[in-house]
Amino acid sequence: GAVVSQHPSRVICKSGTSVKIECRSLDFQATTMFWYRQFPKQSLMLMATSNEGSKATYEQGVEKDKFLINHASLTLSTLTVTSAHPEDSSFYICSADRGRETEAFFGQGTRLTVV
Amino acid sequence: QKEVEQNSGPLSVPEGAIASLNCTYSDRGSQSFFWYRQYSGKSPELIMSIYSNGDKEDGRFTAQLNKASQYVSLLIRDSQPSDSATYLCAVNDYGQNFVFGPGTRLSVLP
Repeated sequence: GAVVSQHPSRVICKSGTSVKIECRSLDFQATTMFWYRQFPKQSLMLMATSNEGSKATYEQGVEKDKFLINHASLTLSTLTVTSAHPEDSSFYICSADRGRETEAFFGQGTRLTVV
Repeated sequence: QKEVEQNSGPLSVPEGAIASLNCTYSDRGSQSFFWYRQYSGKSPELIMSIYSNGDKEDGRFTAQLNKASQYVSLLIRDSQPSDSATYLCAVNDYGQNFVFGPGTRLSVLP
């Protein structure tokens, strides 16, 4: 199956700093990538949809200036959590879409802890 | 607002039994349906996909889709303790993002 690699898997940062998470599709070109956040014992919540070469589309309630998304190529999207706060601590997961009717391929996820 | 609903559980079944997981969705335009399994602290992994009405079987797993009732289910036969996880139902319509249900926690008791 298709492989999506997400890095880092875990990160601890201090309040006020920024953290960048990378999502790569290793064996296919992903026109669209999705970023999700998952709090403990809750389901995945879509944060934004990232399209190569254009601005990301953010879901309602997600601050685009805080969660910067860059999809510079067909195989790489990045999510930068700026000025992180403890409430940003969560499990962040990316997925890549190969096209219509295909399943979403998920990265391994990034556990972010802001102290 | 597109919604996908599942019972949160936990659903507990004895080892060897059949586990039945249910999901309903609100958007009649949904075309693709998926079941993902998520172990604690891990990303979701695809179990089954189904696109047309009826049953689809893959090993111990059977997905059932009824578009008229906007209902999709997952049956797990001969449940094993290793099946204990959260099962996420997801729907997709052409070109749109996936909408996930809240997930059902399944516990298979030895």
